[in-house]
Amino acid sequence: DGGITQSPKYLFRKEGQNVTLSCEQNLNHDAMYWYRQDPGQGLRLIYYSQIVNDFQKGDIAEGYSVSREKKESFPLTVTSAQKNPTAFYLCASSIGDRAEAFFGQGTRLTVV
Amino acid sequence: GDSVTQMEGPVTLSEEACLTINCTYTATGYPSLFWYVQYPGEGLQLLLKATKADDKGSNKGFEATYRKETTSFHLEKGSVQVSDSAVYFCALTRTGANSKLTFGKGITLSVRP
Repeated sequence: DGGITQSPKYLFRKEGQNVTLSCEQNLNHDAMYWYRQDPGQGLRLIYYSQIVNDFQKGDIAEGYSVSREKKESFPLTVTSAQKNPTAFYLCASSIGDRAEAFFGQGTRLTVV
Repeated sequence: GDSVTQMEGPVTLSEEACLTINCTYTATGYPSLFWYVQYPGEGLQLLLKATKADDKGSNKGFEATYRKETTSFHLEKGSVQVSDSAVYFCALTRTGANSKLTFGKGITLSVRP
């Protein structure tokens, strides 16, 4: 089955640690996105990539980093510079150019 | 820049009531418009879409019409069910370099038996 897979579903991080969230898609989509969701704030764009080896900052990129070395993969690293990382993180992909996005099931990150 | 504005929530309805969730947008050019639904603890699922003016998207009894003159894409359903309880997001995307999805804040719908 084609789809987009995020892992892990739940993740716990100690303060000062970097953690990496995985996002893989087998839909052959060019565009991939990372969103952060907090209660009552909707979805906020962290980073997006329209093509391999290229990505752009979204609205809240500070404290996060990404890579796009393969078309299928778009991992997100939450660094220790992100002061309030506890949130629900959603990855999405799209064929681009006005098309709909497909979402993964999300990763809930909690700082302990 | 692009933006999507949704009506304030939450919304609570009784089963079989009519639903309208307002959505207006600001964007240059000719965006595609979407409604997504999110059930608790899950990612977003595409509910319906429209890609040009006067198009009507429909799915699972929900409908929305792309109104360019009023820059709106209101979501409607004639008779809601308890299983429709979820968070609903309006969104847009458009052609262009570095085009990206833009979402509204979402609205929580609760349907009482």
